[in-house]
Amino acid sequence: GIQVEQSPPDLILQEGANSTLRCNFSDSVNNLQWFHQNPWGQLINLFYIPSGTKQNGRLSATTVATERYSLLYISSSQTTDSGVYFCAPNFGNEKLTFGTGTRLTIIP
Amino acid sequence: DTEVTQTPKHLVMGMTNKKSLKCEQHMGHRAMYWYKQKAKKPPELMFVYSYEKLSINESVPSRFSPECPNSSLLNLHLHALQPEDSALYLCASSQDGLAAGDTQYFGPGTRLTVL
Repeated sequence: GIQVEQSPPDLILQEGANSTLRCNFSDSVNNLQWFHQNPWGQLINLFYIPSGTKQNGRLSATTVATERYSLLYISSSQTTDSGVYFCAPNFGNEKLTFGTGTRLTIIP
Repeated sequence: DTEVTQTPKHLVMGMTNKKSLKCEQHMGHRAMYWYKQKAKKPPELMFVYSYEKLSINESVPSRFSPECPNSSLLNLHLHALQPEDSALYLCASSQDGLAAGDTQYFGPGTRLTVL
């Protein structure tokens, strides 16, 4: 079946550090979203990025659809960046397939 | 406005109770979704409604019964649940559907505990 793997599974960083989160997927994507799930459970949309590169403040994302991966970059981390980051590709059907998640902890 | 609202925020129920979860969006979206998320796991799709009709049921047990009374509202009726059904239940919506390339927006979730 279709697989969506994220790495690393856990990441602990000092405030101010930069990080790169990776999402690998096993089939061609129709589109892909990145989400941040905060400690209260809310899934916050970060990017809709089926291909190419987008930037939003300290965050940017790149999807290379031909090589079946997407990257999320977080620069100058803040404690409010803590939480779980999910990539969620869509493979042309009516569902998002969520990745395994990366749990990010930012230490003051 | 990209807001999806869910009520209640928290729900505790016994195995013999009947309760309902409610989801609402006023973005004019025509596709709505229910997901279930267990602790430390990614969300799992339960149901998809497209233009107020059930289009996907991911083999969910019949003790979960979805309902879409109109294009803005989505309910999830719960009856005779088991303790293992305790989870975060998330509602989402998108303009027409994901196959059309839409973005999906999530509500804050209802944290359900079954005793």
